[in-house]
This record gives sequence, structure tokens and C-alpha cells, in this order.
Amino acid sequence: KQEVTQIPAALSVPEGENLVLNCSFTDSAIYNLQWFRQDPGKGLTSLLLIQSSQREQTSGRLNASLDKSSGRSTLYIAASQPGDSATYLCAVKFRINKFYFGSGTKLNVKP
Amino acid sequence: DVKVTQSSRYLVKRTGEKVFLECVQDMDHENMFWYRQDPGLGLRLIYFSYDVKMKEKGDIPEGYSVSREKKERFSLILESASTNQTSMYLCASTRGQILSYNEQFFGPGTRLTVL
Repeated sequence: KQEVTQIPAALSVPEGENLVLNCSFTDSAIYNLQWFRQDPGKGLTSLLLIQSSQREQTSGRLNASLDKSSGRSTLYIAASQPGDSATYLCAVKFRINKFYFGSGTKLNVKP
Repeated sequence: DVKVTQSSRYLVKRTGEKVFLECVQDMDHENMFWYRQDPGLGLRLIYFSYDVKMKEKGDIPEGYSVSREKKERFSLILESASTNQTSMYLCASTRGQILSYNEQFFGPGTRLTVL
């Protein structure tokens, strides 16, 4: 059974700190992995998409890595800001047209 | 910019009513999805469609049906709304089927309350 797990469920850090969010999955046969941000009461905003053949993707202060053999992805946020406060979700595509979501990490960046 | 829109941000309905949630995407995507999101349960797939008039059940299809008469529009129907269908409903779309490059784009969500 394919499962996606995100730990920790919540994280609180002071502004300026670099941080890492984790996503683990049970099956290494993935097509891609996508990181999202969700603000309270809103939809999901795509941050980064990593194909199965890639090791990492970068966008601004965000860097996502993928290690299929260990079933892990990390989202690195550099120099965190209060505006980064949100819930971060990862979604894994195990087979065509079906995505599995983690339960998310709720991030709070304190000014 | 890919845009996925949903017909309502907030909706309040009564038990037993028939409810229609509409989703429209403007990027000619083949695939469209309906999820519900509940605290502690995360996102769960209700139905998806990979082509016009085609649909497949997701993980929790009971109590729901869908319609896709046009490529850009995917409707979720609650035939007889019940209080346990109170939730945030999210629509998403992706292009293609065979390619692994299937970035999901989400709409803003519809918060449905069934009284």
C-alpha cells in the first residue's frame, strides 16, 4: 500500500533560520513528487515538482531533493520569513493519474 | 498562467439537497480531479477524469457522482447531501497521461457546510 508521511506535523522557528521539511514514501517506483504550500482556508499552490529522474529542484529560497532509494524527499527553506508561515504538503505520483498526499507540516515563522 | 476556478468559495446547504460543485480549467488539461480535505485525514481523492465523458472512482466515491461533458469543466454532484459531507472540496487538473511531467494545479477550494 502506498503511503506518504510528513514529519513533523508542526514546526515553529524564528525568522531567518534555515529549515528542512521531510516527506517519506513507501514505494520507490514513483513518477514524480510535488511540494505545495497551503494557506488557511485556501487551495494548494505548487512550489516545486521533481521528476523521478531528477535529484533536486530549486526555486528562489526553496530547494527540494529526492532520494528514491530511501523513499525520501526534503524541502529546504533558506532564510525563513514570517510570510513563509503556511502548511506544506508533499504529493507523490505512484502510478499514472493517481497522487498520494502527506498530511502536511504546519510551519510558523516567528518575527 | 494555468488557472483553475471553482464556482463557489463558500456554500451552505441543507441535508437531502442536491449539490453541484463546478470546476473549470483554462489550460486544455486532459485530467481533472476532485478531492476533499478534512482535518486529520488530509486530501482524499473522490473521483477523477482523464477525458471528456470518462471518469474513475477515487478512494472515497460513495455519496458522490461526477460529470465531464466538456474538456474544461468537471462537476462534482452530491445527490443527497449529508452532514458528513461537510468539508473543503478541492479541484485539480494536470495535462497529459503518459508523461511523468504531470504538475497538479489546484483551484481555490469550496468550503461546503451541510446543516
